[in-house]
Amino acid sequence: AQKVTQAQTEISVVEKEDVTLDCVYETRDTTYYLFWYKQPPSGELVFLIRRNSFDEQNEISGRYSWNFQKSTSSFNFTITASQVVDSAVYFCAVFTSGTYKYIFGTGTRLKVLA
Amino acid sequence: SAVISQKPSRDICQRGTSLTIQCQVDSQVTMMFWYRQQPGQSLTLIATANQGSEATYESGFVIDKFPISRPNLTFSTLTVSNMSPEDSSIYLCSVVSGNSEQYFGPGTRLTVT
Repeated sequence: AQKVTQAQTEISVVEKEDVTLDCVYETRDTTYYLFWYKQPPSGELVFLIRRNSFDEQNEISGRYSWNFQKSTSSFNFTITASQVVDSAVYFCAVFTSGTYKYIFGTGTRLKVLA
Repeated sequence: SAVISQKPSRDICQRGTSLTIQCQVDSQVTMMFWYRQQPGQSLTLIATANQGSEATYESGFVIDKFPISRPNLTFSTLTVSNMSPEDSSIYLCSVVSGNSEQYFGPGTRLTVT
């Protein structure tokens, strides 16, 4: 069975601090994709990144970076120099072609205080 | 990427009535998905809608309560039938692109009184 665990339900940081959101996944498939989505207060889900199971290279996009560790089944997301506009709920998800379903974690609410 | 629109964006409905939510995609897609997000919760998949076949429902969701139509490759509807306050949620449609990226519509915020 697939499962995604986001143990941090809510995190508060002060603007300009770095913050890491944790994601641990479970799947029996050898081929899978991992995702992060952002859901601001407006409610729309914004795609941030996709990573396939064969690519363990870390990725950086501006202030965002992702650390994929297959050995620990983790796909953590770091925001550097956080800003108030980063305040949102962030969801991690896993997709396998075997089930053709996306399983979402419970989300982490990030509050960035000015 | 895909651009997805949903109508209505929000609605307030009375108990016992039904609401049909429309989802329009700017490109042809084989599979469309309908999710529910209850207040403060994660996303739960309701059903997968393939064009030309019956929708496939997840455990806990039934066709009588959430009938789905998929008349063509760019459009789908989800009806929430005989609504109760427990149906108050955000309903989202989504599509999967060729590279397995999933894109979501803006959602429909439903409040049942």
